[in-house]
This record gives sequence, C-alpha cells and structure tokens, in this order.
Amino acid sequence: SSELTQPPSVSVSPGQTASITCSGDKLGDKYVCWYQQKPGQSPVLVIYQDVKRPSGIPERFSGSNSGNTATLTISGTQAMDEADYYCQAWDAGTAWDTSTVVFGGGTKLTVL
Amino acid sequence: QLQLQESGPGLVKPAETLSLTCTVSGGSISSSSYYWGWIRQPPGKGLEWIANTYYTGNTYFNPSLRSRVTISVLTPENQISLRLSSVTAADSAVYYCARFPPREGAFDNWGQGTLVTVSS
Repeated sequence: SSELTQPPSVSVSPGQTASITCSGDKLGDKYVCWYQQKPGQSPVLVIYQDVKRPSGIPERFSGSNSGNTATLTISGTQAMDEADYYCQAWDAGTAWDTSTVVFGGGTKLTVL
Repeated sequence: QLQLQESGPGLVKPAETLSLTCTVSGGSISSSSYYWGWIRQPPGKGLEWIANTYYTGNTYFNPSLRSRVTISVLTPENQISLRLSSVTAADSAVYYCARFPPREGAFDNWGQGTLVTVSS
C-alpha cells in the first residue's frame, strides 16, 4: 500500500496563505481529500476529489494534486483554522477487495 | 440529518476481542450510494484506516489489520459492527465510524468516536 508524507508542522501568520503538502508515489493518479481536526473533535472533510469543497466549507480552502504531490491551501488564514490537517487518498483498485484507503501522518497548523 | 454513533466497551483486556457498533440514524446503511468505514486514532497520533464495507457485506481492509478484523452489516438495526481480535496496547485508540461515498473518495460524515483502552 502507498504511504503519504506530510510535514509535521506548518506555521502561518493571520491573514497569510498556508500551504500543506502531501506526497506519495503517483499521487496525482488518485483522488485526494483533506480533513481538518480540532482538539477533542472528529475530523471534518474540507476538500475532496482534489479540488472540491463540501457545502459549508469556506472558499479560503482550496486544493490541488499533480504528479506526486497534493497541496491544501488556506488563503487569508484565520485563527479558527488552527488545527491538525490530514490528507487521504483512495485507490479504487482493479477489483473490490484490492481497494485501499490511506491517510497521511497529519500536519499541525499553527496560526501565530 | 445523518448521524453516526459508536458504542462499545471502553476497556478491553490484552489478547481479547474488541467489539464496537456504529448506529446510523437519519439515513439507511442499505443505500447503494455509500460505503461505511472504520478509522482509528491512537491518543496523540494520526488517523489509521481499518476497513470499508458495503451493505451487501463486501468489505475491503487495511492489509496490516486484515487478519484480525471482522466487519458485519446489521441491516434491520441500521448498524455496522467491528471486531478486532488479539488486541494489544497498540490497539488503544479512539475508534470512528464514517460514511464513504465512493464518488467522492472521502469520508463525508463521521461519528463522535469512542475511546477504547487495552489494559489488564
């Protein structure tokens, strides 16, 4: 199964742009999504299918995926965006029982 | 509004079997549009996918856990169960169930999670 690598931590000043990367072999060939998790809470989906935002997620959250790297970008970062962020990829496989889901190790975003 | 609720013992002894249930309300687990997944998170650590299951019972697993995991779909009760055998302290974690629409390739609704500690 593939591994996804994220930086352990990213820092950003309020109002600036934060970028969190997720690297994996041929990641651009798979769907990537991103979750936000605040302390003591369940993860919340913020980006799916590389670039799509679920209903209710602010426009400042965007995503991209190409080659071996997917990126979550938060524009105009706010204090409320401070959280752990996880990337996740899904490989549908060639048959039902070969499908796999894999998570990145997570990135702690600090808004200084 | 869809809600998922995990339930089960909070303490399991080493070498025993961990058993959890996810109860779905506000939607049917028999919907052809969704898989249902289990994910866990050891305290202070990252997320680990365990398995996804379809209402027909078709299930795919994390290869590292496959030999110890059993997933069951309880359609009349609108529940999904997880059994993890031969547990060790490394299996201590918050266990989440979540909905997985394959057209999205992501878990779009999560339960609140339940903490399971493996200790004698």
